[in-house]
Amino acid sequence: DTGVSQDPRHKITKRGQNVTFRCDPISEHNRLYWYRQTLGQGPEFLTYFQNEAQLEKSRLLSDRFSAERPKGSFSTLEIQRTEQGDSAMYLCASSNPHQETQYFGPGTRLLVL
Amino acid sequence: AQSVTQPDIHITVSEGASLELRCNYSYGATPYLFWYVQSPGQGLQLLLKYFSGDTLVQGIKGFEAEFKRSQSSFNLRKPSVHWSDAAEYFCAVGPSGGSYIPTFGRGTSLIVHP
Repeated sequence: DTGVSQDPRHKITKRGQNVTFRCDPISEHNRLYWYRQTLGQGPEFLTYFQNEAQLEKSRLLSDRFSAERPKGSFSTLEIQRTEQGDSAMYLCASSNPHQETQYFGPGTRLLVL
Repeated sequence: AQSVTQPDIHITVSEGASLELRCNYSYGATPYLFWYVQSPGQGLQLLLKYFSGDTLVQGIKGFEAEFKRSQSSFNLRKPSVHWSDAAEYFCAVGPSGGSYIPTFGRGTSLIVHP
């Protein structure tokens, strides 16, 4: 039973560069969520998918952020023109529809220099 | 709108002592409530959850939590803390339907002294 996996685990980039993160959910889970967590804070919701459809986006998700889940399996989160304020842990979680429990991956820690 | 307050940023206990982490929530109906634990540099692991029924919920690693509607609280407890329990603990409240997107508290950092 594999859990949620995320790649890479760590990413260091220079301001202005684009970065892309990948999340592989638990195989039978239809829902996939992205969160951002900054130091000393709890996770903040960014967006979620049910299958390939992106159903909700937070106001935190600026136009530099885009997420996809093209085949309803893995998802990618891209940040364009990164800023130092984007430095955070990006967490992915998955769940079954009508199931309230989300299972989290280990996260991708982004540092923008 | 739902919200969660974890009033204690840090809690320090001695190994073997009992633990209680506080969580207060705001939600207009019966909420879904969760406690997660996060070790340094790791993702979140679910400790326990409350949806309905018995207000005392048992979780993994010897943790339990009690839902008190009158106090809008869902405090986490453990009778005897182990050094390996040192971590960040997050309480979350979720809507009972729809997108099930939980709102997390800011977390309580547990420090365990030997």
